[in-house]
Amino acid sequence: EVQLVESGGGLVKPGGSLRLSCAASGFTFSSYNMNWVRQAPGKGLEWVSSISSSSYIYYADSVKGRFTISRDNAKNSLYLQMNSLRAEDTAVYYCAKEGSSWSLDYWGQGTLVTVSS
Amino acid sequence: DIQMTQSPSSLSASVGDRVTISCRASQSISSYLNWYQQKPGKAPRLLIYAASSLQSGVPSRFSGSASGTDFTLTISSLQPEDFATYYCQQSYSIPRTFGQGTKVEIK
Repeated sequence: EVQLVESGGGLVKPGGSLRLSCAASGFTFSSYNMNWVRQAPGKGLEWVSSISSSSYIYYADSVKGRFTISRDNAKNSLYLQMNSLRAEDTAVYYCAKEGSSWSLDYWGQGTLVTVSS
Repeated sequence: DIQMTQSPSSLSASVGDRVTISCRASQSISSYLNWYQQKPGKAPRLLIYAASSLQSGVPSRFSGSASGTDFTLTISSLQPEDFATYYCQQSYSIPRTFGQGTKVEIK
C-alpha cells in the first residue's frame, strides 16, 4: 500500500525557514517523480515544485529562489526547504507521487505551515 | 502558463442526479488533463487521468471526456459520498496548473 506521510509544518515568523519532509513507502520511491502541492486556507490547489526520478527540478514562480526541493532515495524521503517565508506561504502542504500521464495518483495527508508574527 | 477555467464554481444537486463539470484549457494540452475530488479536511484523490482513464478503485459512475481544449467530468448518478469539491489539472507543461474548483453541494 502506497503511503506518504508529511511532517515538519508549524508556526514560523515572516522571513523564517522551515523544512518539510515526506516519508514514502509501498512503492519504489527512486523510480517516480514527486511533487509538492499547497492549499491556502479556504482556497484551491497550487502546484509548488516537482523533482523527477533523475532529479530534474521545477518550481512555481511564486517560490522560485526561496524554496528548494530535494530527495533522498536511500531514505525514501522527499523534502522541501522553505526560506524567506511570507504570510502568503501559509497553507497545507501536500506531497504527491506522480503516476500515469504525470497525474498525481497518491497524496499525503498534508502538513500545515503558518507564517505569522 | 496554461490557465485552467472550471465551470460552474458551485452547483446544487440531488442524490441520483447526473452532474457535469467543465474545464477549459487556455491552450492545447492534448489529453494531459486530470480530475481530483477533495472532501473537507482531506487530501485530494485522483479520479480520472489522461482526460478519460478511470483511476483504479474509482467507481464507474465517474467518467471524463475531451473535445479540443474543453474537458468534462461526469457523475452519472450522484451518491451521498460524492458531495465534495472537484478540481481539474493539466499535466502537459510546467507549471502544473489547477482549475479553481467546483463545489458540489446537496440540494
